[in-house]
Amino acid sequence: EDQVTQSPEALRLQEGESSSLNCSYTVSGLRGLFWYRQDPGKGPEFLFTLYSAGEEKEKERLKATLTKKESFLHITAPKPEDSATYLCAVQAYSGAGSYQLTFGKGTKLSVIP
Amino acid sequence: GAVVSQHPSRVICKSGTSVKIECRSLDFQATTMFWYRQFPKQSLMLMATSNEGSKATYEQGVEKDKFLINHASLTLSTLTVTSAHPEDSSFYICSASGHVEAFFGQGTRLTVV
Repeated sequence: EDQVTQSPEALRLQEGESSSLNCSYTVSGLRGLFWYRQDPGKGPEFLFTLYSAGEEKEKERLKATLTKKESFLHITAPKPEDSATYLCAVQAYSGAGSYQLTFGKGTKLSVIP
Repeated sequence: GAVVSQHPSRVICKSGTSVKIECRSLDFQATTMFWYRQFPKQSLMLMATSNEGSKATYEQGVEKDKFLINHASLTLSTLTVTSAHPEDSSFYICSASGHVEAFFGQGTRLTVV
C-alpha cells in the first residue's frame, strides 16, 4: 500500500528563520511527487512537480528536492504570508492503466512576524 | 498553473434536499477528475475518481447512490449530494488532471441544516 508521511505536523518559525518540511514516501512505480499549499477554507494550490531523484525546483522562497525515499520543501527566509498548510502527494501506477494520487496529512506552517 | 473552477463556493441546504456541485477545467482537458472531502484540520479524503465518459470509481465506504458523480465532458464533472443530512456538511474539493499534475478547485463549503 502506498504511504506518504509528512513531518513535522506543525512548524512555527520566526520571520526570516529558514527551515525544511519533509515528505517520506513508499510507493511502487512513482510517476510524480507534488507539493501543494492550502490556505484555510480554500482548495490546494499547486506548487511543484518532481519526477525523479535528484531533481530540484524553485519558486520564490521555496525549493523542493527529491530523493528515492523522500522530498524536502525548503523555505528560505520565510515571511508571514508563507503561513499555510503544505501538502505532499505522490502519484503512482495503480494498475489497469490508471494512476493513484496519495496525499500526506500536511504540515501546518506558521511564520511569526 | 491550470485553472479549475468549482461552483458554488458555499451552499446551505435543508435536510433531505439534493445539492449539485460543479467542477470545470477552464484551460485544459481533464481526462480524470477527483472528488475529495475534507474535515476541519484534516487532510484530503478521496471520495471518487472519474474518467471522462466512464462511471466513477468510489473509494471504500463512500456511498455511490448518495454521492452521484457525472463526468460527461473533458471539462466538466459534477457531484450531487442526494438527500443531504447534517452529517454530510463538509468541505468538498474537486481536482482535475490532464496528464500528470492535478489542479484543484476552490472548494465548496456545504452546510446542511
